[in-house]
Amino acid sequence: AQSVTQPDIHITVSEGASLELRCNYSYGATPYLFWYVQSPGQGLQLLLKYFSGDTLVQGIKGFEAEFKRSQSSFNLRKPSVHWSDAAEYFCAVVHSNYGGSQGNLIFGKGTKLSVKP
Amino acid sequence: KAGVTQTPRYLIKTRGQQVTLSCSPISGHRSVSWYQQTPGQGLQFLFEYFSETQRNKGNFPGRFSGRQFSNSRSEMNVSTLELGDSALYLCASSLRQSNEQFFGPGTRLTVL
Repeated sequence: AQSVTQPDIHITVSEGASLELRCNYSYGATPYLFWYVQSPGQGLQLLLKYFSGDTLVQGIKGFEAEFKRSQSSFNLRKPSVHWSDAAEYFCAVVHSNYGGSQGNLIFGKGTKLSVKP
Repeated sequence: KAGVTQTPRYLIKTRGQQVTLSCSPISGHRSVSWYQQTPGQGLQFLFEYFSETQRNKGNFPGRFSGRQFSNSRSEMNVSTLELGDSALYLCASSLRQSNEQFFGPGTRLTVL
């Protein structure tokens, strides 16, 4: 069964420091991967997505993620964290019955990011 | 372009009651998906509708149901509420051929 694992429940970084959030997936075929961010009391906002092609994906707000098939990973990175980045981050993979790009999302449990001044 | 809207934003019900939540997708989006978010189980897929038809369903009991109207607006209904149904219910819309789902702010349901 398809699954997504985010090993870190909570991460604290200092403002200006670099950030890497880990995501591992279990999927038999080429995965379609996403990172979403959720601020308190808000819905989910898409940061970036990977469907195919270049394995380094650029997203909004200065985030990027790298798809590594050999490691079944899709880690999210940001070179310099801002206080406004404090939120919860979710990695997701498409669950497709048809081997295509359409289907519902399977989410990891999320990583809560705190930013120290 | 307006985003996904969900009403109401907050709801308090008691056990045994039923509830209906509403979702208006982004204009032009024809697919609507629903997710339940709880601290224990995280984000779980409920169902997806496209062209007024349920196309996909998650592993939830029959008390959870939904429908989609001809204008793509969707409603979900939960009957015979249980304490464990307390959650944030998120609606997401997408273009049929795109899997980029845009989420609404959610409806926070509290069951007492």
